[in-house]
Amino acid sequence: GENVEQHPSTLSVQEGDSAVIKCTYSDSASNYFPWYKQELGKGPQLIIDIRSNVGEKKDQRIAVTLNKTAKHFSLHITETQPEDSAVYFCAASMVGNYGGSQGNLIFGKGTKLSVKP
Amino acid sequence: SAVISQKPSRDICQRGTSLTIQCQVDSQVTMMFWYRQQPGQSLTLIATANQGSEATYESGFVIDKFPISRPNLTFSTLTVSNMSPEDSSIYLCSARAQGATGELFFGEGSRLTVL
Repeated sequence: GENVEQHPSTLSVQEGDSAVIKCTYSDSASNYFPWYKQELGKGPQLIIDIRSNVGEKKDQRIAVTLNKTAKHFSLHITETQPEDSAVYFCAASMVGNYGGSQGNLIFGKGTKLSVKP
Repeated sequence: SAVISQKPSRDICQRGTSLTIQCQVDSQVTMMFWYRQQPGQSLTLIATANQGSEATYESGFVIDKFPISRPNLTFSTLTVSNMSPEDSSIYLCSARAQGATGELFFGEGSRLTVL
């Protein structure tokens, strides 16, 4: 089955700096890679996702890159702000072309990001 | 997106008792799932809640310990039976909207502490 490794487990940056979190996956059939942000006491919130037919996707200060050959994907946060402080989870699954989903989401172990003002 | 409501949001339970968590989604969804998140850990899938039929459990989770119901497209329950301190976790309901191609949304979670 799928296995997702996530690094680093903790990351501390100064406000305004960039943060990068990296994940690798094992199952080459996986084609959907979401990122979740979990604030203290709350459920995970989907912040961005990427599918295997694209190599990069951006949404304001957040971007995700995917390297299918190497089976790794990364989350990039630019101009970090204190409110970016949270635990970030990557995940992988296989989604059917017709819009359904066969695979369950397999999550990485999470990265605790701290942005210091 | 789907808005998912869970209750209770937290509870303190005695060893040996059972607790049922309810999950309500604001729109019809194709799939509903239950995850467990132990303190400081990642999310582990317990089971897929199937409408009108028995849930599909992941390895390491069994129906006798975690019975699940899903009577319709927008509601599901998870019961944690015969609880022990090792069951202290956050239990998260999640759902995938109809027509969605992968996006999974989560509730705020139910934080259970077993004494």
